[in-house]
Amino acid sequence: GAVVSQHPSRVICKSGTSVKIECRSLDFQATTMFWYRQFPKQSLMLMATSNEGSKATYEQGVEKDKFLINHASLTLSTLTVTSAHPEDSSFYICSARDPRQVIFGSGTQLSVL
Amino acid sequence: AQSVTQLDSHVSVSEGTPVLLRCNYSSSYSPSLFWYVQHPNKGLQLLLKYTSAATLVKGINGFEAEFKKSETSFHLTKPSAHMSDAAEYFCVVSDATTNDYKLSFGAGTTVTVRA
Repeated sequence: GAVVSQHPSRVICKSGTSVKIECRSLDFQATTMFWYRQFPKQSLMLMATSNEGSKATYEQGVEKDKFLINHASLTLSTLTVTSAHPEDSSFYICSARDPRQVIFGSGTQLSVL
Repeated sequence: AQSVTQLDSHVSVSEGTPVLLRCNYSSSYSPSLFWYVQHPNKGLQLLLKYTSAATLVKGINGFEAEFKKSETSFHLTKPSAHMSDAAEYFCVVSDATTNDYKLSFGAGTTVTVRA
């Protein structure tokens, strides 16, 4: 079946550095991908909708200059957390649409020291 | 606007007994409804979905859910809990009239299973 591959699964970085998370659709093309953030013991909050070939649509309260999204091809969307700070530490999950369903990646645990 | 309310933040059951996770939804249009399961530090796995076909939906691992429009509910059940069912469960709604598949998540229900 259709799979969404998210990489890396875990990353630890120093405060002030940037981190890139990749989300790839395997065996299908995804014109739309979604990025979510999840704090411990909490639900998923939609951050942005990533559209292939155009600018991402950010949810209210999400800093687009902080969370850069690039969807340059039909199978890859990237989320870059720029100048990361400890408060950016969280679990980030992407999802992608195939014609029948939404498929989630396995998530990335970001820890900023 | 669409939203879901999961009525229980935590459910604890004994192995072999039934599980009931409650979910109420709010949607302006015909909703699509989903239940997802998340094990610790893992992604989400779809258990089942309702998309305006049969109101009783059967999913994986013995789970099922019933869509009740009159009660705006989509409760998840399993007749006999297994230790491997211990996880976080999310009820999710999507507006079926749009094509963007934007999902709204409930707050989640933590299920613990006692031996």
